Amino acid sequence: ETGVTQSPTHLIKTRGQQVTLRCSSQSGHNTVSWYQQALGQGPQFIFQYYREEENGRGNFPPRFSGLQFPNYSSELNVNALELDDSALYLCASSAQQRGGRETQYFGPGTRLLVL
Amino acid sequence: GEDVEQSLFLSVREGDSSVINCTYTDSSSTYLYWYKQEPGAGLQLLTYIFSNMDMKQDQRLTVLLNKKDKHLSLRIADTQTGDSAIYFCAESGGSGGYQKVTFGTGTKLQVIP
Repeated sequence: ETGVTQSPTHLIKTRGQQVTLRCSSQSGHNTVSWYQQALGQGPQFIFQYYREEENGRGNFPPRFSGLQFPNYSSELNVNALELDDSALYLCASSAQQRGGRETQYFGPGTRLLVL
Repeated sequence: GEDVEQSLFLSVREGDSSVINCTYTDSSSTYLYWYKQEPGAGLQLLTYIFSNMDMKQDQRLTVLLNKKDKHLSLRIADTQTGDSAIYFCAESGGSGGYQKVTFGTGTKLQVIP
């Protein structure tokens, strides 16, 4: 158990809909990163939030957006869902300083199916 | 950009040692990780190594790092059926003040009883 929790565990949506996924960080962690893991692939970095600001972003379109709250929990929002958005979405928390390289601890993931 | 490569599949007999290999391209990597993922589950951090180390041992796990060749390996001694899972190699890099972890595609380890 890493202390990182995600909700919901599973979700089914249809194309064009919007979805919000939630993540609670491990206690004492100020940074949350989100990853997309398609079936049979390794996780791909979406973005990272440090102290409520987006701190870096991977190759994902603007319809993937996020928030981090004062308690360091986080949301991932995806608008205009596409079939290819079907994946396991993982969040990871860490206790890092800006520019630091602290170990990330992963939650169990939310499995999203887009029909 | 960063790239991490692993072989896709490894099969070993219970009790034997398993060696999972990984190569990476980012010479500025600071941490290198091994994660384990069981079916339908999230990622479990197994171990990690700083880029200035050559070896790290943790019970049945041994990590070897050849920084010159950008080669990382994970050896599991006395492999058990419970070790059957997908193992991801990952490197920690990123610029502009944030940390990005780049994962390989994973090696599926099958342990034969």
